Amino acid sequence: AAGVIQSPRHLIKEKRETATLKCYPISRHDTVYWYQQGPGQDPQFLISFYEKMQSDKGSIPDRFSAQQFSDYHSELNMSSLELGDSALYFCASSLTRGTDTQYFGPGTRLTVL
Amino acid sequence: AQKVTQAQTEISVVEKEDVTLDCVYETRDTTYYLFWYKQPPSGELVFLIRRNSFDEQNEISGRYSWNFQKSTSSFNFTITASQVVDSAVYFCALSEADLYSGGGADGLTFGKGTHLIIQP
Repeated sequence: AAGVIQSPRHLIKEKRETATLKCYPISRHDTVYWYQQGPGQDPQFLISFYEKMQSDKGSIPDRFSAQQFSDYHSELNMSSLELGDSALYFCASSLTRGTDTQYFGPGTRLTVL
Repeated sequence: AQKVTQAQTEISVVEKEDVTLDCVYETRDTTYYLFWYKQPPSGELVFLIRRNSFDEQNEISGRYSWNFQKSTSSFNFTITASQVVDSAVYFCALSEADLYSGGGADGLTFGKGTHLIIQP
């Protein structure tokens, strides 16, 4: 079965620009999670969605927003980009919310210049 | 709050040696789940194992084995007869499901990771 798909895989933006990352979960998975991994760091949970509603919120900056659509894909919108936003952004999905296994996509590497 | 500690920042061994990666966790919840993920140089996060707090049986999968001990809050990972392809960063992670976390928190709490280098 196909895994989690993320697009784009690489993105280069200038400071103060906006970026949109997309995530397509594994088929029949109803929960989507977003994580940010800085260089040499562990992944940090940003936000999650269950059945198209926001489920839990972590350390997501106010400049970031996300949503899950009717086909269960999710988008992470990032505005007023800062140099510190340069990181690997992972999307993960699970069969249901909570403690089910989260399967991660390949990540989007965002570079802010 | 929950916490995961991986005290070994980097481990370097020669191929075919056995190696154990340590993971110690903290949680107030009685129901929780522990995970190990592998992050090879290509960057993706690969799921290895999930264990719930009520199942303390050790698990073996090929060259991989896991030792879960609630008494010491540890969930250690051993690779037997290591190979160069095992070189990666390994993360231990915790997910809570109980009352203290408000009925279940979605995000995984990761340790800082252990960078494993297998030399040929």
